[in-house]
Amino acid sequence: EAQVTQNPRYLITVTGKKLTVTCSQNMNHEYMSWYRQDPGLGLRQIYYSMNVEVTDKGDVPEGYKVSRKEKRNFPLILESPSPNQTSLYFCASSLNDYNSPLHFGNGTRLTVT
Amino acid sequence: GNSVTQMEGPVTLSEEAFLTINCTYTATGYPSLFWYVQYPGEGLQLLLKATKADDKGSNKGFEATYRKETTSFHLEKGSVQVSDSAVYFCALRGGGSNYKLTFGKGTLLTVNP
Repeated sequence: EAQVTQNPRYLITVTGKKLTVTCSQNMNHEYMSWYRQDPGLGLRQIYYSMNVEVTDKGDVPEGYKVSRKEKRNFPLILESPSPNQTSLYFCASSLNDYNSPLHFGNGTRLTVT
Repeated sequence: GNSVTQMEGPVTLSEEAFLTINCTYTATGYPSLFWYVQYPGEGLQLLLKATKADDKGSNKGFEATYRKETTSFHLEKGSVQVSDSAVYFCALRGGGSNYKLTFGKGTLLTVNP
């Protein structure tokens, strides 16, 4: 089954403790992206990658890192999480094509205390 | 830059009522347009898309027509069901170099029996 898999689904952590949210897709997509969803603000892009070893900042990259060492994986790294990073995070993938829809994972709900 | 404006919710309807959720956009060039649906506790699923002017996307009884002259992509359904209760997002892709999907803020639809 074609899918984007994120882990974990839920994560509660404390300020400053490094964490990684994993994302993997099995559709051989070149393009992958991370979004965060916040009430009243909708979905905002954090980082994106157009292919292996090619990553770039989205609209809200501060406090986040990503890597794209393999085509299928695109982990999101929070080196020193802060409470303002409490949010619902989505990973997505697609072809490098404006007509191609993004396929989303089921989300990771992160709480930073 | 690109932007999407969709009607504020929440929208509450009775079963079998007619649904319209308005969506207008601003973009350079000729974007592709999408509607996504988010059921409670789940990720975003593609509902329908249209990639050029006058295209009509349709799926599960929902329809939307890409109107370039009014820069609109309104979502309609003739007879809603309780199972249609969800958050609906209008989105566009295009006019930039990073294939970013730009979302509206979402409209919460509740359908009562």
